Amino acid sequence: GAGVSQSPRYKVAKRGQDVALRCDPISGHVSLFWYQQALGQGPEFLTYFQNEAQLDKSGLPSDRFFAERPEGSVSTLKIQRTQQEDSAVYLCASSGRGQYQPQHFGDGTRLSIL
Amino acid sequence: QKEVEQDPGPLSVPEGAIVSLNCTYSNSAFQYFMWYRQYSRKGPELLMYTYSSGNKEDGRFTAQVDKSSKYISLFIRDSQPSDSATYLCAMSPLNYKLSFGAGTTVTVRA
Repeated sequence: GAGVSQSPRYKVAKRGQDVALRCDPISGHVSLFWYQQALGQGPEFLTYFQNEAQLDKSGLPSDRFFAERPEGSVSTLKIQRTQQEDSAVYLCASSGRGQYQPQHFGDGTRLSIL
Repeated sequence: QKEVEQDPGPLSVPEGAIVSLNCTYSNSAFQYFMWYRQYSRKGPELLMYTYSSGNKEDGRFTAQVDKSSKYISLFIRDSQPSDSATYLCAMSPLNYKLSFGAGTTVTVRA
């Protein structure tokens, strides 16, 4: 079946602009995660949804970062007033119902802030 | 100090060799352990997933978890050029908030 789909794959924005990144999880997966991956580093946790409920947003770097999943499927990560340090790859992952379900990742959105 | 330490390499081996990768961690609450493979400009791809201590084998891949030493390993037998990638270890106490290592870059020479 189809995997996790993210769009756009690449996004270039000027400093100060707002951006929105989309994640379409694997069909039927109740859990959805966002991670940020800097160049040469492992992904860092940003936030976690179970269905439409955002259960953990402890990894969001600042109040400029906002995520939503209003209908429990597609999710959007929004970054307001972008800064150069926001340049990174933003990865989305999803997992199925149950305790031992691993996370499956999309190919990410590569965000460059000029 | 990071929660998860992973030697970034790079590691270069000839085709057919055994690749040995490892991570150490400091959080004794971790009980879910994963290895992901990441090709350039692609997302992490799940290779192995284990809960608690022990060994798990899947084809050419063997994962080992030693919770007493806070040490996990991944072995790749009969390595192929297509195994050239970055390998990421990941772990979590509750299977949702993953903590990753920095990744080890592996090159398998034909």
